[in-house]
Amino acid sequence: EIVLTQSPGTLSLSPGERATLSCRASQSVSSSNLAWYQQKPGQAPRLLIYGASSRATAIPDRFNGSGSGTDFTLIISRLEPEDFAVYYCQQHGSAPRTFGQGTKVEIK
Amino acid sequence: EVQLVESGGGLVQPGGSLRLSCAASGFTFSGYGMHWVRQAPGKGLVWVSLINNDGNYKIYADSVKGRFTISRDNAKNTLYLQINSLRGEDTARYYCARKGIANALDIWGQGTMVTVSS
Repeated sequence: EIVLTQSPGTLSLSPGERATLSCRASQSVSSSNLAWYQQKPGQAPRLLIYGASSRATAIPDRFNGSGSGTDFTLIISRLEPEDFAVYYCQQHGSAPRTFGQGTKVEIK
Repeated sequence: EVQLVESGGGLVQPGGSLRLSCAASGFTFSGYGMHWVRQAPGKGLVWVSLINNDGNYKIYADSVKGRFTISRDNAKNTLYLQINSLRGEDTARYYCARKGIANALDIWGQGTMVTVSS
């Protein structure tokens, strides 16, 4: 099983600041099989990034994904109030599919 | 509008069973694989199961293997999850999600809550 470890667990930032979220895999993951999701309280998750770096439909360009192999990064260039949420990475190429434990981006 | 709507959750005693449903609309259901993902209260997302578009390929998380069964009825545009031998640790909101763009989970339902308690 591929274990995804996200860091930090919580990120306390102010609107307008840059957020850098990390997702590290226990073994190599094809970039095409790495996705990021956003979840706000009381809502279902929403796909942000697929293929490690491609934005999903209607996702603003302040969200950028990158990485390869075992290290992947999600950067939110300038935090907007609606970006404060929990973010999960997921690999969907190997069984079982696995999620990271999440990074909470909270208002400082 | 592309939509997934889950139903069938509720309060069940340990050892009991439930069948969850996920009704799809707005897209060609038979053309997509589908997932179940669960989330315990206050916890993270946990992948549960995947079924391919014609129902001939199914995989499960180890924690549910042998107790949960995923299935689908393409004529009814509906995905199912039969959950048996329920345990307290199965208490969670269960989401269905479409295996979509680049095989990521691109459409999610709002989830249905399963509570296992005596």
